[in-house]
Formats: sequence, structure tokens, C-alpha cells
Amino acid sequence: DIVMTQSPDSLAVSLGERATINCKSSQSVLYSSNNKNYLGWYQQKPGQPPKLLISRASTRESGVPDRFSGSGSGTDFTLTISSLQAEDVAVYFCQQYYSFPFAFGPGTKVDIK
Amino acid sequence: EVQVVESGGGLVQPGGSLRLSCAASGFTFSNYAMHWVRQAPGKGLEYVSTISNNGDNTYYANSAKGRFIISRDNSKNTLYLQMGSLRPEDMAVYYCAKGLSSNSYGAFEVWGQGTMVTVSS
Repeated sequence: DIVMTQSPDSLAVSLGERATINCKSSQSVLYSSNNKNYLGWYQQKPGQPPKLLISRASTRESGVPDRFSGSGSGTDFTLTISSLQAEDVAVYFCQQYYSFPFAFGPGTKVDIK
Repeated sequence: EVQVVESGGGLVQPGGSLRLSCAASGFTFSNYAMHWVRQAPGKGLEYVSTISNNGDNTYYANSAKGRFIISRDNSKNTLYLQMGSLRPEDMAVYYCAKGLSSNSYGAFEVWGQGTMVTVSS
């Protein structure tokens, strides 16, 4: 089974500053036939269900602000919030959907400094 | 509006059974894979199970294998999770999620609000 890890566990960033979250998979999630990484990023605010932000490692979902971006390939991925806003306070999870059982990372809590 | 709404949660004794339902609307249900994910209080997200768009293929987390059964009724636009031999560690909010595509290998695009399952004597 693929195991997902994230770093840091939490971070506090000043408003308008950059936040960077890392995600690592124990095996590559790059599907060679289409050269796509089967990796998603989710945002979960307190008391709410998760929301899909990014799929295939770097494809932003409709309606997601462009300050959110995803990068990486193979086993190492990054979610970047280019200019943190107050409404971005949340826990962020990465997920591999390359092989079953699918797996989520443990989450990274983002707060305002 | 694309929507999924879970129901069926509640209090159950250890060793008991429960069936969760997820009613889908706003999209062609039979075209999409569907998933269950759970979240224990104060914890992270845990993948539970996936069913393909036509129900032919099902997949489970190791923790669910042999105890849970995922199914769907495309005529009723409803997803199910039959849970048996429940343990205290199964206590969680259970989320239903719509897949991003008909392919089972896709991100989880739309999530419900969840239904709480409490396992306690």
C-alpha cells in the first residue's frame, strides 16, 4: 500500500505571505501511459467537509483562487498558497488515487501568524 | 446543483451493524465512481471504499475489508455502505464523495456534509 506523508504538521504564516506544504508518497503516483500524477489536494475548514482544490498534482479545480498552486511529480509534491488570506485558514490534505487502497496524508494545519 | 447527502448514522453497540446511504442529485449518477471516506473526531481523513460507476468493481481499505460492503442503486441515485462487526475505532463522521470521472481512479470532486457513526455500549 502507498503511504502518504506531509510536512510540516502545521505552519503559521503572515497575511499576504507564502505558505508551502509538502507531500510525499512512498511509491510513485505517476501514471506512465498518460504522464499524469494521480495526486490531489484538499482543503478542510473547521466544521466543514473537505473541498477538492487541485487534481492531477497541478490542475486547479473550477472556482479555486489562483493563489493556490500544485507542483511536483513522482513521489514529491508541493501545495503553495502564494499570498495567504484569512479565509485560507484550514487543514490541507494530499491524497493519492493511483492505486487502491487510496490514501490521504495526515494533514497540515495552516494558521495566521 | 451537484449534491450528495449522507444519512443513516447513529449510535450502535460494538459488534453491531449499520447501513449508511448517500443520495445524489444534480448529475448523472450512473456515470461516476463513488467513494466513502471517514474522519474520527479530531483526526485526519481515512479512505474507506470505492465503487465503479456501474457497480462492477469495488475496493476497500484494509480496515474495512471483510466487514463493510459498498453498493449502489443507479435507478435510485443512491450509494450505500453496509457496515458490520463494528468496533469503537470505526466511530467517525462518514463522508460520501462523488468521483471526478467515471474512472474509479480519480480525485474526490464533491463531498457531502457527512453522517456520524458512534460505536459504544
